[in-house]
Amino acid sequence: ETGVTQTPRHLVMGMTNKKSLKCEQHLGHNAMYWYKQSAKKPLELMFVYSLEERVENNSVPSRFSPECPNSSHLFLHLHTLQPEDSALYLCASSQDRGLEQFFGPGTRLTVL
Amino acid sequence: KQEVTQIPAALSVPEGENLVLNCSFTDSAIYNLQWFRQDPGKGLTSLLLIQSSQREQTSGRLNASLDKSSGRSTLYIAASQPGDSATYLCAAEWYSGGGADGLTFGKGTHLIIQP
Repeated sequence: ETGVTQTPRHLVMGMTNKKSLKCEQHLGHNAMYWYKQSAKKPLELMFVYSLEERVENNSVPSRFSPECPNSSHLFLHLHTLQPEDSALYLCASSQDRGLEQFFGPGTRLTVL
Repeated sequence: KQEVTQIPAALSVPEGENLVLNCSFTDSAIYNLQWFRQDPGKGLTSLLLIQSSQREQTSGRLNASLDKSSGRSTLYIAASQPGDSATYLCAAEWYSGGGADGLTFGKGTHLIIQP
C-alpha cells in the first residue's frame, strides 16, 4: 500500500450504533488530519494531530472521538450520530504541520 | 473569521483553451496555499503548494500564483484537455499558537472541458 488509505470506503450506520473509521499513511509523515465534506458545504477541518498529539479541535461535537495511537494511524470513533452527520470523511497527512497535505480516498458515511 | 472564496463556481470551456481559476482569502497573514483537484466520488489530489514566501509554483501545464497583499491566488491551466474536467479546490492555512492550524477550503470550481 502506498500513500494514504482509509477503511471502510462506505459505511451505513444507525443513530445508536458505534463504529470507527481508520486511516493509515505510508509516507512517514508526522501530522495527520480529519476533514468532513458535506454536500454544498466547503470541506471542514475536524482534527489535527502532530507527533500523535491533538493540536486542533474545531468545535467538533463529542459524538466524534479521534484517536492517534502512532504516527501512521488515525481513527475516528463514531457514536450516536445524527442523519446530518452523513458526509464524506477524508483523512490527510503531511510531513509536518504547514507542509503539503496528501489525502486518502475518504469514507462515505450514511447515518440512518 | 478566516475564509476562502472561489469564483466562478462552475466553468465550461472548449478543449485547448487556456483558463484561470480564482481564489481569494480574508487574512493576508497566510502560512501557505494549496490547490487540489477532486474527481467525482474521490478524494483530493494535490496539485500545487505555495508557501507564504513564494509568489508562484509551476507543474506541467499548471501555474499557481499567490498575492498576499491582495488576498488572491490564481490557478492557470494551459491548453486544457477533457481529462482536466474536475472540481478544483483552493485551500489556505494560517498560523496559530504552535504551528499551522490546518486547511480552510473554498467551495471549489467545477470545471468541464468540452471535447
